[in-house]
Amino acid sequence: AQTVTQSQPEMSVQEAETVTLSCTYDTSESDYYLFWYKQPPSRQMILVIRQEAYKQQNATENRFSVNFQKAAKSFSLKISDSQLGDAAMYFCAYRSPNTGTASKLTFGTGTRLQVTL
Amino acid sequence: EAGVAQSPRYKIIEKRQSVAFWCNPISGHATLYWYQQILGQGPKLLIQFQNNGVVDDSQLPKDRFSAERLKGVDSTLKIQPAKLEDSAVYLCASSLEWTGVYGYTFGSGTRLTVV
Repeated sequence: AQTVTQSQPEMSVQEAETVTLSCTYDTSESDYYLFWYKQPPSRQMILVIRQEAYKQQNATENRFSVNFQKAAKSFSLKISDSQLGDAAMYFCAYRSPNTGTASKLTFGTGTRLQVTL
Repeated sequence: EAGVAQSPRYKIIEKRQSVAFWCNPISGHATLYWYQQILGQGPKLLIQFQNNGVVDDSQLPKDRFSAERLKGVDSTLKIQPAKLEDSAVYLCASSLEWTGVYGYTFGSGTRLTVV
């Protein structure tokens, strides 16, 4: 079974600075999908960024970018120019390319990001 | 477009009581998921529907949990009888394409406290 590990329970960044959240995963598959979700106090999980494993180019969405290292099974999230609204729990998630019962998202335990003035 | 709607937002019950949660996915989304998020953990899939059929319920505690999705739209998740360890946030999500490879849209969840 796939596992997702987020080793940083909490991180803190000053406004306008850059922060990197770490994620590693374990899989024997060669093709899969990786996601970062943000969960603010409202509890709604919001998709931040998505990466397809067969694409070598790192995904980017405005201030959010990833460093995808397939051989190392690492998928870190970089937030540039941090804003107060970025404060939230961030979850890394893995999805198998298989269909049916293997199509669920497997989440890590999350990293709580604080943004300070 | 309207998001995934869930109700109630909060629920407090005593152990051994029953409770039901409701979810209305985004219009046109064929796939619906229920996730359980225990405090300090990431969400865990309980059940996945494709239209009104179950795709995956391997992690659903079937002795006490049940779920249905009539007519392939709204869904309800029921717990009967509830245990203390069922205290969690129950998140509903939906996806347009059945594989979910583009990510899901989540609702704001129901926070259940069992006392």
